Amino acid sequence: DTEVTQTPKHLVMGMTNKKSLKCEQHMGHRAMYWYKQKAKKPPELMFVYSYEKLSINESVPSRFSPECPNSSLLNLHLHALQPEDSALYLCASSQVLRPPGYTFGSGTRLTVV
Amino acid sequence: QKEVEQNSGPLSVPEGAIASLNCTYSDRGSQSFFWYRQYSGKSPELIMFIYSNGDKEDGRFTAQLNKASQYVSLLIRDSQPSDSATYLCAVNWGGGADGLTFGKGTHLIIQP
Repeated sequence: DTEVTQTPKHLVMGMTNKKSLKCEQHMGHRAMYWYKQKAKKPPELMFVYSYEKLSINESVPSRFSPECPNSSLLNLHLHALQPEDSALYLCASSQVLRPPGYTFGSGTRLTVV
Repeated sequence: QKEVEQNSGPLSVPEGAIASLNCTYSDRGSQSFFWYRQYSGKSPELIMFIYSNGDKEDGRFTAQLNKASQYVSLLIRDSQPSDSATYLCAVNWGGGADGLTFGKGTHLIIQP
């Protein structure tokens, strides 16, 4: 299995809703990432988990809450989002040491209304 | 602030020609360099990675790294219309699990 699987593929939520994005990989990677990509912009790093511990938070607002329940799963909990948070949310995974590449999932297209 | 710079294009290349994509980065100590291809509405797809100075070839693709000049490039030989996409240069600054910083991407158009 060489894939990173993200669900759901599309999500529309209101500003008062709580929702979660899910990401799963079975490649034995011990580093997992969340990126945010706005239209016609490059992906921007949000969070990094290394060995199931949060190692990097790129000053992301607290309305985004990551969770790594085990080495294969990564969640992003969403609460009280703003319309400007609408974007493609990408999960990625990699080896921890000198990764020869980061494998991206197909993403969740989030629209906040 | 560590930065990755790319010409956003569009870069238009005739079918069958060589497409040359360039990228510069700000931190001389950067460890790993990646080229991703991204089609509109899709997620990035890894084309190549390179760690050491010099050239690295994989099929029609060649990555070139010059750490002294802080410069990395991607050559695509025998360009095909299916190569039309946005090409993202990405840098892993520390060599470990600290994520990637992406350039803004170069939009490549292969003209049939």
